[in-house]
Amino acid sequence: QVHLQESGPGLVKPSETLSLTCAVSGGSISTYYWSWIRQPPGKGLEWIGYISYTGTTNYNPSLKSRVTISLDTSKNQFSLKVTSVTAADTAVYYCATHYGSGFDPWGQGTLVTVSS
Amino acid sequence: QSALTQPASVSGSLGQSITISCTGTSSDVGGYNLVSWYQQHPGKAPKLMIYEGSKRPSGVSSRFSGSKSGNTASLTISGLQADDEADYYCCSYAGSSTWVFGGGTNLTVL
Repeated sequence: QVHLQESGPGLVKPSETLSLTCAVSGGSISTYYWSWIRQPPGKGLEWIGYISYTGTTNYNPSLKSRVTISLDTSKNQFSLKVTSVTAADTAVYYCATHYGSGFDPWGQGTLVTVSS
Repeated sequence: QSALTQPASVSGSLGQSITISCTGTSSDVGGYNLVSWYQQHPGKAPKLMIYEGSKRPSGVSSRFSGSKSGNTASLTISGLQADDEADYYCCSYAGSSTWVFGGGTNLTVL
């Protein structure tokens, strides 16, 4: 069973870059598709983007200009970068595996707060 | 790409059945049979309950079922149990390798 674990700074200053990593265990990152999804406090889920096992990426059009997702096969992990962050980027960030048309499993999530 | 529309809240009594709707457009829900549903308890990660419109992952109770008519997908939970009380989110493939979520529905079990 694949297990995902997010990691990264919990506090980022406005205008800086948010960087998170998702470590994959119990399976090879070179097998599936992988997504990042976020949830602002008290609000709903928002799909950010995905990366395939070949490195193909695609992003939510509303975030595309600020988001990069990359793969590190040597460490069996993938990463998210969001540039020029504002308070609106404060959220719990989840990584997840694609399963059929859905997402399963998910990591436990990590809260990132944008504040000076 | 706009969020799918879900009712903010629904409620039902123990043992009863409820249905949560998820309305999109012909560019997402109506255009593909690729809707998924998630259950989220407070402070926890979402859990996949239904995928490809009506399929249940291994381990998900048969009390959960999914369907679609036109641009609206639905999640039905039968035989409501106390532990079903949670937030539920729908998600649809929206074309061009993108996905869109609904705003979420809070289920209260009375």
